[in-house]
Amino acid sequence: GIQVEQSPPDLILQEGANSTLRCNFSDSVNNLQWFHQNPWGQLINLFYIPSGTKQNGRLSATTVATERYSLLYISSSQTTDSGVYFCAVGNSGNTPLVFGKGTRLSVIA
Amino acid sequence: GAVVSQHPSRVICKSGTSVKIECRSLDFQATTMFWYRQFPKQSLMLMATSNEGSKATYEQGVEKDKFLINHASLTLSTLTVTSAHPEDSSFYICSARATSGGFYSYNEQFFGPGTRLTVL
Repeated sequence: GIQVEQSPPDLILQEGANSTLRCNFSDSVNNLQWFHQNPWGQLINLFYIPSGTKQNGRLSATTVATERYSLLYISSSQTTDSGVYFCAVGNSGNTPLVFGKGTRLSVIA
Repeated sequence: GAVVSQHPSRVICKSGTSVKIECRSLDFQATTMFWYRQFPKQSLMLMATSNEGSKATYEQGVEKDKFLINHASLTLSTLTVTSAHPEDSSFYICSARATSGGFYSYNEQFFGPGTRLTVL
């Protein structure tokens, strides 16, 4: 099955810093989503981005489908950005998402 | 985004009892829902795919007689953990896939808030 690798596994940032999280996947996909899991376990949808670039406030994401990777950019990080960021992919319309192991982000004041 | 609810959010039960978890899509119809489990500090692992009106598809290693799934309507899937044991303690999360139409990207999945099960 499809493999998803995320890097780095852990990241500590000073408040205000920028960061880039990476997601590599092993096969072509038609669904790629980025999530933020908050301390209560809720997965928050950040981006649905099987290809191209999207921006939402301080967050943006780019997926280069032909090279099988996606990047999540966080600018001017805040303590509320802390948590685990997951990349998940799917390769057909009705298949479940395969998750990477996540990047655990800690933003310190 | 779309709203998926789960109930209950937390349950504590004695070993040997059965626990039912409900997953509802509140503002869209979902012919397909997925059930995941997550252990502390780990990623989500798919347990099964729930299809409205048909039998669920289970992942390898997941006991279908222990984790009963029913997808009786386009907005409701249930997971019943039968004869629960302490090793079944985990965080269970459902997701629903947005189908074409509406305000959501086709194929985008939305997740419920999760159910934390503790079996004593």
